[in-house]
Amino acid sequence: RKEVEQDPGPFNVPEGATVAFNCTYSNSASQSFFWYRQDCRKEPKLLMSVYSSGNEDGRFTAQLNRASQYISLLIRDSKLSDSATYLCVVNFPTGRRALTFGSGTRLQVQP
Amino acid sequence: NAGVTQTPKFQVLKTGQSMTLQCAQDMNHEYMSWYRQDPGMGLRLIHYSVGAGITDQGEVPNGYNVSRSTTEDFPLRLLSAAPSQTSVYFCASSYRTQATGELFFGEGSRLTVL
Repeated sequence: RKEVEQDPGPFNVPEGATVAFNCTYSNSASQSFFWYRQDCRKEPKLLMSVYSSGNEDGRFTAQLNRASQYISLLIRDSKLSDSATYLCVVNFPTGRRALTFGSGTRLQVQP
Repeated sequence: NAGVTQTPKFQVLKTGQSMTLQCAQDMNHEYMSWYRQDPGMGLRLIHYSVGAGITDQGEVPNGYNVSRSTTEDFPLRLLSAAPSQTSVYFCASSYRTQATGELFFGEGSRLTVL
């Protein structure tokens, strides 16, 4: 089983739609969770951190479910500019002090 | 403000050749790391450093060496290139330990090994 699993998609949605991605992680001791965005042939950039109580940034809402070991990202009122790959990122409490990246979910917003 | 700068952006090597990917950051970040990204596999950590003079292995270190003589620079050396090392390489830095800090990535270096 992968340490961080995401549905690769693509998710094809019309402009204005609401879309949600889930991500599951294997280590119940993980403490930090993030969503990164990666445009085609570009570097990843932090979209938002995910807090235990859930958090919102404009049209984006992130949720954490520790019992089921998954995090989610909800995008409301999708824009063409939201088309990208969304990477789920989890910290694993090992000696590597590393964040572990999921392989990403591709979103294509269509006019 | 340059951020994280990687060179070269593109490189083609023959099997057995060696080369160095350069990474420099101007944000005075202590933490620097190298990832490789392959289709369907996400980013995998190769090596990382928590400060000048300190380096450690990540998930996929074989075939790569690093050094950290200054805070700013973190070069990645391919000792004897193999086709399996064809990938996109990203350097990233953070002002604190990764677990709580935002990672800033360079634009990537696309390497093809023939």
